[in-house]
Amino acid sequence: SAVISQKPSRDICQRGTSLTIQCQVDSQVTMMFWYRQQPGQSLTLIATANQGSEATYESGFVIDKFPISRPNLTFSTLTVSNMSPEDSSIYLCSVVAVEQDAYEQYFGPGTRLTVT
Amino acid sequence: DAKTTQPPSMDCAEGRAANLPCNHSTISGNEYVYWYRQIHSQGPQYIIHGLKNNETNEMASLIITEDRKSSTLILPHATLRDTAVYYCIVRVARGSTLGRLYFGRGTQLTVWP
Repeated sequence: SAVISQKPSRDICQRGTSLTIQCQVDSQVTMMFWYRQQPGQSLTLIATANQGSEATYESGFVIDKFPISRPNLTFSTLTVSNMSPEDSSIYLCSVVAVEQDAYEQYFGPGTRLTVT
Repeated sequence: DAKTTQPPSMDCAEGRAANLPCNHSTISGNEYVYWYRQIHSQGPQYIIHGLKNNETNEMASLIITEDRKSSTLILPHATLRDTAVYYCIVRVARGSTLGRLYFGRGTQLTVWP
């Protein structure tokens, strides 16, 4: 199974600032994704992180607000830009890996962001 | 949008079986039923998945109805550590939409001593 780590695990930020979240996987994976979980809510997909090209965003999410990088097969970053209190959420990295000819999906531990 | 419907909450006595239902009446022929759970403040954890046959692993059993419109996740001997939100998700096993999961509200399972 793929082991995912995220940094930071949590942060408290002031409105108007930006935070970059890192996702590191211990093995090369096929796909990487970023999800958001607002307080008391379920998970919502933000975007697919594509290696070497622009991320693919879901409806309601834009690159200017959530720029994403994926320079290689094991690493990705998500930046939450110009933050407001509404951005307070848990941000989760997720990967799809091929195991025994099947695609398995794993989630990281999440980054808990509080915007004041 | 999530294509599944689950009860918002359930509870179960420790040591008893927990049976969590899920309706997915619009499931497509190439979509699997996946179950994940999320223990408070952690990332979702994979439990089990199936296409049309019943499945069992070390964590749980999955019973899928013959018409595939509903399923039940069974935790045979629930423990306090099984207290979590359980998500039933339908997804393809391959293809361009792989990994793009759409989570519903899930079922909050509370196991009590």
